[in-house]
Amino acid sequence: DTAVSQTPKYLVTQMGNDKSIKCEQNLGHDTMYWYKQDSKKFLKIMFSYNNKELIINETVPNRFSPKSPDKAHLNLHINSLELGDSAVYFCASSQAGTGAGELFFGEGSRLTVL
Amino acid sequence: AQSVTQPDIHITVSEGASLELRCNYSYGATPYLFWYVQSPGQGLQLLLKYFSGDTLVQGIKGFEAEFKRSQSSFNLRKPSVHWSDAAEYFCAVGDGGSQGNLIFGKGTKLSVKP
Repeated sequence: DTAVSQTPKYLVTQMGNDKSIKCEQNLGHDTMYWYKQDSKKFLKIMFSYNNKELIINETVPNRFSPKSPDKAHLNLHINSLELGDSAVYFCASSQAGTGAGELFFGEGSRLTVL
Repeated sequence: AQSVTQPDIHITVSEGASLELRCNYSYGATPYLFWYVQSPGQGLQLLLKYFSGDTLVQGIKGFEAEFKRSQSSFNLRKPSVHWSDAAEYFCAVGDGGSQGNLIFGKGTKLSVKP
């Protein structure tokens, strides 16, 4: 079984559209994340979430919103897509305490905005 | 501000040769340091981590890294590279807190010559 799974793996859409990427983890972790990897492979955290607290990277536009229906899922909704949103989006999870920082990543969702 | 610098964008080594990937960090307190590897089209996988204790840490796939506080470095090494080691390598720093948020370097791409 895949530990952290994301869908879809590829997403091509037009500017102005709204889209969602889903993420599920079966590791029993209590914290989940969304990272953005740009065309130069630079990884930057967008959100971290652990049932109690959502931490938002202040540089993330409010068009991006994470939604967590339960502890094992953290979906990413993006409104009014822009060309600059094209990137690979990675979901990850970790266990607090001694596991902090040991992130388990999904395979990524490549978003292309035309 | 926290930051991670990987000075080498791309390194090519011959199969069987030794490898050292450089990583320098800037962090106000005791850092939690990580090396992740990303194979093409895949998510990131943790190779090793340093939290405290012995400054030479062993990881998976025969990799090791040495924490040198005086040089603010955490270089990754492998004595004999295999063709399957060709990938992108990311150094990261975190505070080990409950959020586990990491600051990643820009990555070093490793190519392996037969």
